Amino acid sequence: QITLKESGPTLVKPTQTLTLTCTFSGFSLSISGVGVGWIRQPPGKALEWLALIYWDDDKRYSPSLKSRLTITKDTSKNQVVLTMTNMDPVDTATYYCVHRLGGIYAFDIWGQGTMVTVSS
Amino acid sequence: QSVLTQPPSVSGAPGQRVTISCTGSSSNIGAGYDVHWYQQLPGTAPKLLIYGNSNRPSGVPDRFSGSKSGTSASLAITGLQAEDEADYYCQSCDSSLSAWVFGGGTKLTVL
Repeated sequence: QITLKESGPTLVKPTQTLTLTCTFSGFSLSISGVGVGWIRQPPGKALEWLALIYWDDDKRYSPSLKSRLTITKDTSKNQVVLTMTNMDPVDTATYYCVHRLGGIYAFDIWGQGTMVTVSS
Repeated sequence: QSVLTQPPSVSGAPGQRVTISCTGSSSNIGAGYDVHWYQQLPGTAPKLLIYGNSNRPSGVPDRFSGSKSGTSASLAITGLQAEDEADYYCQSCDSSLSAWVFGGGTKLTVL
């Protein structure tokens, strides 16, 4: 059974850097085809894909946020970390960690999400 | 402004059939990328409902079906039930953006 869980601060100040950790179980990020990504959802708004990292360390980023995002993995710890610099109140959202369905560009398993508020 | 366009809301009575459209362009759905659908019940994380245009993950009732044609896709729900009241999102990939893209979401209300 695949599970993912997000952790990180619930409140960050404007201009600060956000670091979120996704801890997963039930699969290995060293297996060919596997990917783990991040998606966010501002309150009352739509889903927005942020970043994804593959088993071979290939990384993909949202073009509109690429300059602010970094995604890394620690295969031994079964963790994926997302950092987002220069946080702004518009970045207030629930951030989800997701498992990419192998061979298909869909996200089959989602974490419960973690709400991050950006406010001074 | 989402890359994929969905109606903001749809509604139907219990037992009825509703459809939700997802319109893209030649750089995403029209380029041959698959469309996937997610259901988000109030206060919960989204759940994969349809993948690869028309495939249901294990456990998803066959009341839910998906289709794709040209630059659009549709999600159909038959035998509408109160528990189907949720937000529904379509998702695909876009070659111009080199990104995974979502629709703006559709709120389904069961009357």
